[in-house]
Amino acid sequence: QVTLKESGPVLVKPTETLTLTCTVSGVSLSNARMGVSWIRQPPGKALEWLAHIFSTDEKSYSTSLRNRLTISKDTSKSQVVLTMTNMDPVDTATYYCARKQPTYWGAFDIWGQGTMVIVSS
Amino acid sequence: EIVMTQSPATVSVSPGERATLSCRASQSVSDNLAWYQQKPGQAPRLLIYAASTRATGIPARFSGSGSGTEFTLTISSLQSEDFAVYYCQQFNDWAWTFGQGTKVEIK
Repeated sequence: QVTLKESGPVLVKPTETLTLTCTVSGVSLSNARMGVSWIRQPPGKALEWLAHIFSTDEKSYSTSLRNRLTISKDTSKSQVVLTMTNMDPVDTATYYCARKQPTYWGAFDIWGQGTMVIVSS
Repeated sequence: EIVMTQSPATVSVSPGERATLSCRASQSVSDNLAWYQQKPGQAPRLLIYAASTRATGIPARFSGSGSGTEFTLTISSLQSEDFAVYYCQQFNDWAWTFGQGTKVEIK
């Protein structure tokens, strides 16, 4: 059974850097086609895809946020880490990590529970 | 970036009735389109992928259709547990985008 769980600070100050961790259980991050994305959702608003890391360690970023985002993984710890620089109150959201289906298709079949991040001084 | 536009924003449906939700892509995504259901306080749940394939465990009352730029999610006979927000999502050229969601509410 594959599970994902997000962790990180609940509260960050404006201009600070956010670091979130997604811990994956039940499958190795080195498995072929094992890719993980970060997706966020401001309160009452829509989902927004942020970044993805493929099993090959290739990365892809949202066009609008690419200058602020870095995604990486530690296969030995089974963790995917997202950093977002220069946080602003508009970045207040629930942040999810999700597994891309291990197939050709681009859907996310397993999601973490999400972690709420509030940006406030 | 491919923009996904969902309509309507809200649809009011009585239990047992059919609901039809639309999703339009700003350029062709072939059939790389997924639908998710999200209830308050929960993570999204994958319903449909490849435009028309139900994910594991998804009831047959959920069906997806379309290709290219026009897609539809149909819920044939709404059950009480189906009242939620539904999102479409595309994957193309190593990037993903979501629609703004359609809320299915009780009439």
